[in-house]
Amino acid sequence: EVQLVESGGGLVQPGGSLRLSCAASGFTFSVYAMNWVRQAPEKGLEWVSGITENGNKTYYADSVKGRFTISRENSKNMLFLQLNSLRAEDTAIYYCADSTWHNWGQGTLVTVSS
Amino acid sequence: DVVMTQSPLYLPVTLGQPASISCRSGQSLVHSDGNTYLNWFHQRPGQSPRRLIYKLSKRDSGVPDRFSGSGSGTDFTLRISRVEAEDVGVYYCMQATLWPPITFGQGTRLDIK
Repeated sequence: EVQLVESGGGLVQPGGSLRLSCAASGFTFSVYAMNWVRQAPEKGLEWVSGITENGNKTYYADSVKGRFTISRENSKNMLFLQLNSLRAEDTAIYYCADSTWHNWGQGTLVTVSS
Repeated sequence: DVVMTQSPLYLPVTLGQPASISCRSGQSLVHSDGNTYLNWFHQRPGQSPRRLIYKLSKRDSGVPDRFSGSGSGTDFTLRISRVEAEDVGVYYCMQATLWPPITFGQGTRLDIK
């Protein structure tokens, strides 16, 4: 069974940092590109970032470019998102999803507030 | 960026009746490989999105056949032939033809009248 499990969310002050993780199991992680998608409270879905299968190419939404960094460790079936210089508008549930868009995690909540 | 525009944004439907959601893209979503990478998702409150339709019209395994996707170029439609209670929630279209960025529609909330 395919599973994607996010962790690392929490409450952080504006300007702070967090590192989100996504643990993958039940499929060959290293052959899939991966993505992060977020959903602000009572809002729609927003693509945040994507990374190729081997991690050599990364892509970002303009809203997070220069502040967020996506990475992966295929030997451990792990996907990461480093969130720096956080703003109130980054408050959202962050989901990881594979490049088929068929498999999503349950999400981890990031709250940016003083 | 490809803007995805859904309508209506709110859709009250009587049980057993059909429903239709429109999604329009700012550019043609036909990829150079001939595929149209247009997906439809359903999200229930408190849950992750679930993909229903991929590549314009292919239904995911386990998705009831009352759901169908159609369209071409810039105009796409998700149809539910007979709405059931479990169909309530928010529906999103998403394009993965012209990226980055991947873009989603605003979402359409379906409720039972």
